[in-house]
Amino acid sequence: AQSVTQLDSHVSVSEGTPVLLRCNYSSSYSPSLFWYVQHPNKGLQLLLKYTSAATLVKGINGFEAEFKKSETSFHLTKPSAHMSDAAEYFCVVSVLNANNDMRFGAGTRLTVKP
Amino acid sequence: DTGVSQDPRHKITKRGQNVTFRCDPISEHNRLYWYRQTLGQGPEFLTYFQNEAQLEKSRLLSDRFSAERPKGSFSTLEIQRTEQGDSAMYLCASSRTGIQNTQYFGPGTRLTVL
Repeated sequence: AQSVTQLDSHVSVSEGTPVLLRCNYSSSYSPSLFWYVQHPNKGLQLLLKYTSAATLVKGINGFEAEFKKSETSFHLTKPSAHMSDAAEYFCVVSVLNANNDMRFGAGTRLTVKP
Repeated sequence: DTGVSQDPRHKITKRGQNVTFRCDPISEHNRLYWYRQTLGQGPEFLTYFQNEAQLEKSRLLSDRFSAERPKGSFSTLEIQRTEQGDSAMYLCASSRTGIQNTQYFGPGTRLTVL
């Protein structure tokens, strides 16, 4: 069965420093993987997705993620954090069936200190 | 493209009452999904529609829950005889047909059962 584990429930960084949010996946097949961001009182917004093309995926707002099959990881990074990046981030694996089922991680709350 | 909309954004009800939520998907999307998100957790899949057909239901969807999409456009999620454990954010998402198609989420309806 497909699942994801987000290794940190909370990450705190200073503005202008790098961001690393960690995600490991489990999948019997080649997975599709996503990162979504959720700002308070707002809907989930897609940051980026991996669908078996390039292993380094660039997303919106300067975020990127690298698919590493050998490590079963899909960590999200950003070179320089901005105050507006403070939010909840979800790593998601898509079950490769006709229903396009999504399995969400528990989320990582990113705090950005001035 | 006006995005996925949900109504109401917030609902407070007393235990035992019935509530109904509405979701309007992106107009050209024929798939519609409902999720539930409790505090500190990622969204959990409830059910999904392909056009007007409800094709999958999670075991989380007890018999007090019913979802419809009568004309293949908007959808409603009804909870009968609400319980305090139903308090959560209810999220709707839509996508095009096909594996790996991205799901786009609405802002959610936050339900509080007193």
